[in-house]
Amino acid sequence: GAGVSQTPSNKVTEKGKYVELRCDPISGHTALYWYRQSLGQGPEFLIYFQGTGAADDSGLPNDRFFAVRPEGSVSTLKIQRTERGDSAVYLCASSSPGGRTKQFFGPGTRLTVL
Amino acid sequence: KQEVTQIPAALSVPEGENLVLNCSFTDSAIYNLQWFRQDPGKGLTSLLLIQSSQREQTSGRLNASLDKSSGRSTLYIAASQPGDSATYLCAVTRAGGSEKLVFGKGTKLTVNP
Repeated sequence: GAGVSQTPSNKVTEKGKYVELRCDPISGHTALYWYRQSLGQGPEFLIYFQGTGAADDSGLPNDRFFAVRPEGSVSTLKIQRTERGDSAVYLCASSSPGGRTKQFFGPGTRLTVL
Repeated sequence: KQEVTQIPAALSVPEGENLVLNCSFTDSAIYNLQWFRQDPGKGLTSLLLIQSSQREQTSGRLNASLDKSSGRSTLYIAASQPGDSATYLCAVTRAGGSEKLVFGKGTKLTVNP
């Protein structure tokens, strides 16, 4: 019955490496969202899932970024060949069925690319 | 492309003061608007959600108003407390489009005891 959880809370990696960030939404929430927040900025949309399918992936910056939600619950954001510019806090949110309801956010994963 | 602007970027007030945070958006074709609170190093907490057909929402000491036609929303905080210190973000979803939120950069509020 807890809120949205994200793991890891912090991830430090080297330029060029591959990383996976995990999001566990609130149970029963069918919609799941990924956002990215850089220092001093508001969150920027990356991708949104309705069930297992990506309903809107227009915010993914390039083909190094990919996200999956194979069973309609947990989601993984995958970043290939990381770059220093990918350093940010990656936020996940979920919302209940019915559309356009409140989005509940997780604590985020702070990614640092050295 | 929807753009959301929040003014001021930072605000410092003494405890007990009433205050107003401003949010403006360029495309009035919104479905709803949300105000969030973000504490340092934390995720976002939803405070209030206003549907496009509504004019305001209230929760405790918080009151949010929406003027869709002019592209503006305000968040009013009554009798501010040091515990209100945080960054406040507003975000909108587009009518007829994706459910993604478009955020402003936020207003950093400090309430001094």
